[in-house]
Amino acid sequence: DTAVSQTPKYLVTQMGNDKSIKCEQNLGHDTMYWYKQDSKKFLKIMFSYNNKELIINETVPNRFSPKSPDKAHLNLHINSLELGDSAVYFCASSQVGGGETQYFGPGTRLLVL
Amino acid sequence: QKEVEQNSGPLSVPEGAIASLNCTYSDRGSQSFFWYRQYSGKSPELIMFIYSNGDKEDGRFTAQLNKASQYVSLLIRDSQPSDSATYLCAVNIGGGSEKLVFGKGTKLTVNP
Repeated sequence: DTAVSQTPKYLVTQMGNDKSIKCEQNLGHDTMYWYKQDSKKFLKIMFSYNNKELIINETVPNRFSPKSPDKAHLNLHINSLELGDSAVYFCASSQVGGGETQYFGPGTRLLVL
Repeated sequence: QKEVEQNSGPLSVPEGAIASLNCTYSDRGSQSFFWYRQYSGKSPELIMFIYSNGDKEDGRFTAQLNKASQYVSLLIRDSQPSDSATYLCAVNIGGGSEKLVFGKGTKLTVNP
């Protein structure tokens, strides 16, 4: 059974397009996260939701909009994609907050042309 | 700006040797410390976590924490080629935000 899953695994798109990435966890965790890992492999948090409520919103362009329909799902919608958005986006979940172990999904590799 | 610093490496050790990975952090209020391993093209996976000063051992892995020095390390004994990966140090930045801040990772290569 996959604990944290993401779709799609790969996403190639043109600049200016809008795209979404979906994440689901079946661990019963309360908190979910979106991270961005750039070409230099630096992993940085973007958003965190606890039981559908936004907890962390880092300095991320407002073209990025997370949405949590329930505590098992956290989706990421990106408007007007730019070249600099090319990265690997990881979803993660944990039982409570950042002090607990986080489990990562397989990642979505986004390439903006 | 609360930071987590790691030597980016690469760190190269022969098979069977001890690999030592180091991490320093800036937030004195941090309470939770994690080591993740990331193979190329894969997602980070937890190796160990440590909350208290001192050593914590799990098989070939030992995490060491010194809160006074704001220093956490990971020792890998009897290193194997399969340990070749990037190791990410992560620190829980508290003060209400409850987020993990990751270091930039140390790339380890274990040579047969």
